[in-house]
Amino acid sequence: GDKVKQSPSALSLQEGTNSALRCNFSIAATTVQWFLQNPRGSLINLFYLVPGTKENGRLKSTFNSKESYSTLHIRDAQLEDSGTYFCAAGDYGGSGNKLIFGTGTLLSVKP
Amino acid sequence: NSKVIQTPRYLVKGQGQKAKMRCIPEKGHPVVFWYQQNKNNEFKFLINFQNQEVLQQIDMTEKRFSAECPSNSPCSLEIQSSEAGDSALYLCASSRQINSDYTFGSGTRLLVI
Repeated sequence: GDKVKQSPSALSLQEGTNSALRCNFSIAATTVQWFLQNPRGSLINLFYLVPGTKENGRLKSTFNSKESYSTLHIRDAQLEDSGTYFCAAGDYGGSGNKLIFGTGTLLSVKP
Repeated sequence: NSKVIQTPRYLVKGQGQKAKMRCIPEKGHPVVFWYQQNKNNEFKFLINFQNQEVLQQIDMTEKRFSAECPSNSPCSLEIQSSEAGDSALYLCASSRQINSDYTFGSGTRLLVI
């Protein structure tokens, strides 16, 4: 459903540019995880967030639980950043310990 | 390479056949989850375990699937009688505790023809 809305659904970036992906939640998310799914199907764990901000190399993510959104910033995009990015909300009150996923942002980085 | 090992990578079954897939969770992770990802990128939670015990499962899993996580053996998820709508990527994930981050495997891609 629309409990976790991701935007944009698709994005094309020139190598070396910056961009931001966003998730809006209509549930009371207590944690957020961001994943990158590669063409083989593997989900690579990028960030696990309680409310706040984390940074790892060229990636930075923020989770604002009061305003019910999370963002993933990509700086200096590289070809290997291409893939589908998913955010997933942990709602331990309502849905127990399951993750509720967005439907992804397909990112294509071009040379 | 993922620390959660899923086999097989690909599985092709006829309708009505059993389809079984396995998952070895990351070492030290007693909590295991199974999700189904369809071609529209929709994820459906199927079942989760803590050690050998089922924590939660959905109706479909209870009725049509058989899952277990025995001690000292891989976890498994088996569809008793495959349907075309079961064609999907089945992802296994594990975590150190219930409310911590997940590590996913590479998935088993099931095609039911």
